Amino acid sequence: TQLLEQSPQFLSIQEGENLTVYCNSSSVFSSLQWYRQEPGEGPVLLVTVVTGGEVKKLKRLTFQFGDARKDSSLHITAAQPGDTGLYLCAGLTTDSWGKFQFGAGTQVVVTP
Amino acid sequence: EPEVTQTPSHQVTQMGQEVILRCVPISNHLYFYWYRQILGQKVEFLVSFYNNEISEKSEIFDDRFSVERPDGSNFTLKIRSTKLEDSAMYFCASSFYNEQFFGPGTRLTVL
Repeated sequence: TQLLEQSPQFLSIQEGENLTVYCNSSSVFSSLQWYRQEPGEGPVLLVTVVTGGEVKKLKRLTFQFGDARKDSSLHITAAQPGDTGLYLCAGLTTDSWGKFQFGAGTQVVVTP
Repeated sequence: EPEVTQTPSHQVTQMGQEVILRCVPISNHLYFYWYRQILGQKVEFLVSFYNNEISEKSEIFDDRFSVERPDGSNFTLKIRSTKLEDSAMYFCASSFYNEQFFGPGTRLTVL
């Protein structure tokens, strides 16, 4: 059983469209991170959210942490081919500071 | 900008041999991790290390696996008696608190 469920598993869109990726759990997280991973490379940290209801923006990417700190979303506006990649969410639960829980990832493909 | 480095980038070994994967975490970080990712699958937690001891480990991290921080800068993962199913990308990561940074990975191929 996955502690963090990501949806959808795969998303294919045209350049210029918007997309949203979700990360859900029944557990409470003290912090949650979003990463992007390219094939054959390590995940690259995009953002960390720690406060329930927090919204962070990184250019065309908007990250939101749920009020109860059990879920998060990543929204990309006007997607570009460079946004293609595997998006991973990961978090530290309130009772396990030594282990980051990872979702299975959402593969995003943006075609020109 | 500080980064996590890993060597080698690719390691090929025969089944039953021992391998050591090396990592240099970011210098002021306190927590160190190893993950593996089998091709096309999710990132799997192996072990976390803090204050010179293992803080958590997964069921994957059996008694063939060990970690060490021998000199205050390097962080190593040793796998003894390698099996075919150990073939994967192995990522080292480090964090100060809740922001974790990954290295580029070592691709381990067991023949």
